[in-house]
Amino acid sequence: DAGVTQSPTHLIKTRGQQVTLRCSPKSGHDTVSWYQQALGQGPQFIFQYYEEEERQRGNFPDRFSGHQFPNYSSELNVNALLLGDSALYLCASSLGSGTDTQYFGPGTRLTVL
Amino acid sequence: AQSVTQLDSQVPVFEEAPVELRCNYSSSVSVYLFWYVQYPNQGLQLLLKYLSGSTLVESINGFEAEFNKSQTSFHLRKPSVHISDTAEYFCAVSVPQGGSEKLVFGKGTKLTVNP
Repeated sequence: DAGVTQSPTHLIKTRGQQVTLRCSPKSGHDTVSWYQQALGQGPQFIFQYYEEEERQRGNFPDRFSGHQFPNYSSELNVNALLLGDSALYLCASSLGSGTDTQYFGPGTRLTVL
Repeated sequence: AQSVTQLDSQVPVFEEAPVELRCNYSSSVSVYLFWYVQYPNQGLQLLLKYLSGSTLVESINGFEAEFNKSQTSFHLRKPSVHISDTAEYFCAVSVPQGGSEKLVFGKGTKLTVNP
């Protein structure tokens, strides 16, 4: 039973560029949430996708957008990258029909130069 | 809105000593409570959770946490730590919403177990 997987593992971009991060949820899960973890901080909620729609959103600008595909996998897109976007981006999956626990992937380390 | 305060950013202890990592939360409604552990350069792993029922919850590797509603706390304890417990520990809360819960995390406590 595969857990949550994310790609790529590491990514280096320059300011102003755009980036796409990918996540495959744990088998049987239909909900994907994205979190940003800056160095030395706890993860911050970006948004959550369920049934291919954004269900909840945290306090992040519109430069952060996402998508969920029919197979429940998800993408996180960030446009016009800033130095402050450098962080570990974590994907978590859960079962959207009332479960309680989110399972996290290993994360994508994004460095913006 | 919910918030989580982890009172200690770093906790150094010696191997086989007991440890307590403190967590307090703020919420006007009932919450679920979680502890996650993060090893260097890895994602988060669920350690234990409180949803309802018994206020004392345990993990398979010897950690336990007790939900105290009056003190709005969910402290994590282990009676005897190992070198392998060295990691960062995050306390988190979510509000039950029928499946659309988001997690609100504390800033983390870095536990270092020394020989």
